[in-house]
Amino acid sequence: DVKVTQSSRYLVKRTGEKVFLECVQDMDHENMFWYRQDPGLGLRLIYFSYDVKMKEKGDIPEGYSVSREKKERFSLILESASTNQTSMYLCASSLVGNEQFFGPGTRLTVL
Amino acid sequence: GDSVTQMEGPVTLSEEAFLTINCTYTATGYPSLFWYVQYPGEGLQLLLKATKADDKGSNKGFEATYRKETTSFHLEKGSVQVSDSAVYFCALKFTYHDMRFGAGTRLTVKP
Repeated sequence: DVKVTQSSRYLVKRTGEKVFLECVQDMDHENMFWYRQDPGLGLRLIYFSYDVKMKEKGDIPEGYSVSREKKERFSLILESASTNQTSMYLCASSLVGNEQFFGPGTRLTVL
Repeated sequence: GDSVTQMEGPVTLSEEAFLTINCTYTATGYPSLFWYVQYPGEGLQLLLKATKADDKGSNKGFEATYRKETTSFHLEKGSVQVSDSAVYFCALKFTYHDMRFGAGTRLTVKP
């Protein structure tokens, strides 16, 4: 089975802190994705990557950056966390053209 | 742009009731269609999928048929159980693009 893991299930940070969310997949998938999930809005794509060191902006990239130095790892970075970035963050991976497999999510609270 | 619209929740049913969650899509071509399920405190899991018109996806008693003429992919189950309580997401995907998700429908099944 595909396994996508995220570094934390729950995270509490203060406004202005730099925040790193880590995601690792073990199935050699080319594509990796970061979403945020908010009530009534569903999933919104922040960034995705289709190869090592490659990244593409999604629908809501402002305030976020990403890093993919190794194929299995995709990091989401909040350069200066703000309260409106309080959300559930979901990582996913996929082979090209196939369905996505999701991690358990990280619930981030920014105070 | 491509998008998915699914019925608003929450939906509350009694055990053994029939379930329908409506999903319609807008797309310029013929995407693959998916239903994902999110149980409390977890990430999204693929429930079923269909890749071309008239295909029927099925899993765990759930079914959905890809209807090109009505651009729909409604989720159905003949007899729901308490354990089916979750949030259900409809999604579409073209081969080399990211997925588009609906807003999600929360289902609660009461004993």
